[in-house]
Amino acid sequence: AQSVTQLGSHVSVSEGALVLLRCNYSSSVPPYLFWYVQYPNQGLQLLLKYTSAATLVKGINGFEAEFKKSETSFHLTKPSAHMSDAAEYFCAVSDRDGNNRLAFGKGNQVVVIP
Amino acid sequence: KAGVTQTPRYLIKTRGQQVTLSCSPISGHRSVSWYQQTPGQGLQFLFEYFSETQRNKGNFPGRFSGRQFSNSRSEMNVSTLELGDSALYLCASSLGYVTGRVTDTQYFGPGTRLTVL
Repeated sequence: AQSVTQLGSHVSVSEGALVLLRCNYSSSVPPYLFWYVQYPNQGLQLLLKYTSAATLVKGINGFEAEFKKSETSFHLTKPSAHMSDAAEYFCAVSDRDGNNRLAFGKGNQVVVIP
Repeated sequence: KAGVTQTPRYLIKTRGQQVTLSCSPISGHRSVSWYQQTPGQGLQFLFEYFSETQRNKGNFPGRFSGRQFSNSRSEMNVSTLELGDSALYLCASSLGYVTGRVTDTQYFGPGTRLTVL
């Protein structure tokens, strides 16, 4: 079964600094990859997705992620953190064989320090 | 276009009771998936319904069941509630057409917070 690994449950970043959240997937065939964000007491909002059209994917709110097959990674970055980026971020994977289920990582709780 | 809606937003039940949660997908979406979110286990896939048929199922006991209606609305039922069923239950909708060439992006509702006492 597909899976993703997110290391470091809590990530602290200073306002204006780079945000980097790591995600590694386990698959010999590049899957579909997603990053979702969850604000307190809310559902998940899609930030961006990888569909194999381009390895560098731009999403909402200034986030982007780069797919690297050689590293089986799909790390999420934002050049300059804003206070409003404080939230929990989830990497998710689904495979390409018609199975529509998402497998999520454990999530990263991002704290932005003023 | 209206998003995914879930009702109720909050529920409090006692052990042994049963509960039904409702999800209305985005208009035009035919697939509805359910996920359970807990602090310990994270986000786990429960099941997916497409055109009124269960298409995928996660690793949950039979106490967890669901159905989908002809208008794509879905309900999830949990019988004989246990303390461990306390969680945020998230519903996600998508177009539902999955092939090797096309992604099927899931859009999530706000969730139903279930507390079992």
